[in-house]
Amino acid sequence: QAVVTQEPSLTVSPGGTVTLTCGSSSGAVTSGHYPYWFQQKPGQAPRTLIHDISDKHSWTPARFSGSLLGGKAALTLSGAQPEDEAEYYCLLYSGGRGVFGGGTKLTVL
Amino acid sequence: EVQLLESGGGLAQPGGSLRLSCAASGFSFSSYGMSWVRQAPGKGLEWVSGIFSGGGNTYYADSVKGRFTVSRDNSRNTLYLQMYGLRGDDTAVYYCARGLGPAAIFPYDWGQGTLVTISS
Repeated sequence: QAVVTQEPSLTVSPGGTVTLTCGSSSGAVTSGHYPYWFQQKPGQAPRTLIHDISDKHSWTPARFSGSLLGGKAALTLSGAQPEDEAEYYCLLYSGGRGVFGGGTKLTVL
Repeated sequence: EVQLLESGGGLAQPGGSLRLSCAASGFSFSSYGMSWVRQAPGKGLEWVSGIFSGGGNTYYADSVKGRFTVSRDNSRNTLYLQMYGLRGDDTAVYYCARGLGPAAIFPYDWGQGTLVTISS
C-alpha cells in the first residue's frame, strides 16, 4: 500500500498564495489516483474541497484550485483569508482502497 | 440537503464488537456509494471502508480487513459498519460519508461522526 505524503505545515500571509502538495511513494500521482482534498477545522468534521484532481464541491470558494504538478497532486490557495487556517488532507486511490496523507496544517499569518 | 447521522458509538472492551449505523436523508441513498473514515484522537484521517450503491462491492483498509464489515440497507437508507475484534487503535471518531456516484467510495459529503472508545 502506498504512503501518501504532505507537507506537515505551511504558513501563508493574508492575501497571499500557497500550494500544498500530495505525493505517493508508488510514483507519480496521476488521474488514476482520483485525488481529493479536504479541509478540517478544529472540532469540526472534514469538508470536501476538491475531487478528481480539480473539481470543486458546491461550497468550495473560488480561491481554491486543484491540479497535478510535478508528479504530485496540488492544492493552491490564492488570496488566503484568515478563515482558511485549517488542516488540509489529500486522499488518493491506491490498490483498491483510499489512502490519506498525513495532513498539512496551514497557518494564515 | 444531504444529511448523514451516525450512531452506535460508545465504549467497548478490547476484543469486543460494535455496530455503527449511518442514517441518510436528503438524497437518493440507493444511488450513491458510501464510505467510512475514522480519526483517532489528535491524529489524521484514515479511510476505513467503502461500498458501492448496490452493496455488492465492498472495500477495506488493511488495518480493518477481516475484522470490520460494511453493509447497507437501501430500503432503510442506512449504512452500517460492523466491527469485531476491536483493539485500542480502533479508538476514533468514525465518519460516514456519501460518494459522488454509485461506485464512489471516497467522501464527498460527511456526517458529524460518532466516537468509538476501546478500553478495558
